[in-house]
Amino acid sequence: GAGVSQTPSNKVTEKGKYVELRCDPISGHTALYWYRQSLGQGPEFLIYFQGTGAADDSGLPNDRFFAVRPEGSVSTLKIQRTERGDSAVYLCASSLEGTSGYNEQFFGPGTRLTVL
Amino acid sequence: SQQGEEDPQALSIQEGENATMNCSYKTSINNLQWYRQNSGRGLVHLILIRSNEREKHSGRLRVTLDTSKKSSSLLITASRAADTASYFCATMDNYGQNFVFGPGTRLSVLP
Repeated sequence: GAGVSQTPSNKVTEKGKYVELRCDPISGHTALYWYRQSLGQGPEFLIYFQGTGAADDSGLPNDRFFAVRPEGSVSTLKIQRTERGDSAVYLCASSLEGTSGYNEQFFGPGTRLTVL
Repeated sequence: SQQGEEDPQALSIQEGENATMNCSYKTSINNLQWYRQNSGRGLVHLILIRSNEREKHSGRLRVTLDTSKKSSSLLITASRAADTASYFCATMDNYGQNFVFGPGTRLSVLP
């Protein structure tokens, strides 16, 4: 079956602009995660959804970052007033369930965001 | 915070040799997972080991977990050039929510 997909694969924007990054999880996966990965580093947790609700958004760096998952499937990560420091690869992952049980996460290919 | 820390940061070996990477973490966990990443994109799940397990195998991969030392190791036997990648450990806390990656080990397998 289809894996996790993310669009766009690359996004170049100017400082101060607004961007949206989209994630399509594996069908039937209730848990969805967003991560940010800088060059040479491990993925950094941003936010976790269980169904439609954000179960944990403690990783969002500031109020310029926001994410939604209105129907419990597709999720959008929104970044306002982008800064050069936001440049990174943004990874999305989904899992069958987020709490207890089998927690293997399936990752998408990521969106490489470059803020000029 | 519980942070997985891998060592070494980089490892270079010859094809056919075994590669061992280690991961340490700080707090109690529900499970620990190892991932592989090629070219800075798309992590691939390798193996999950639960806190009540001590060892798991999957093909050429062997993972151990020592909860008393808060450490895990990933062994890749008979390495191949295609194993060249970055390898990350990630820990899941007991609430099944907080998932934290380490900085990774960059493995180079030379033909």
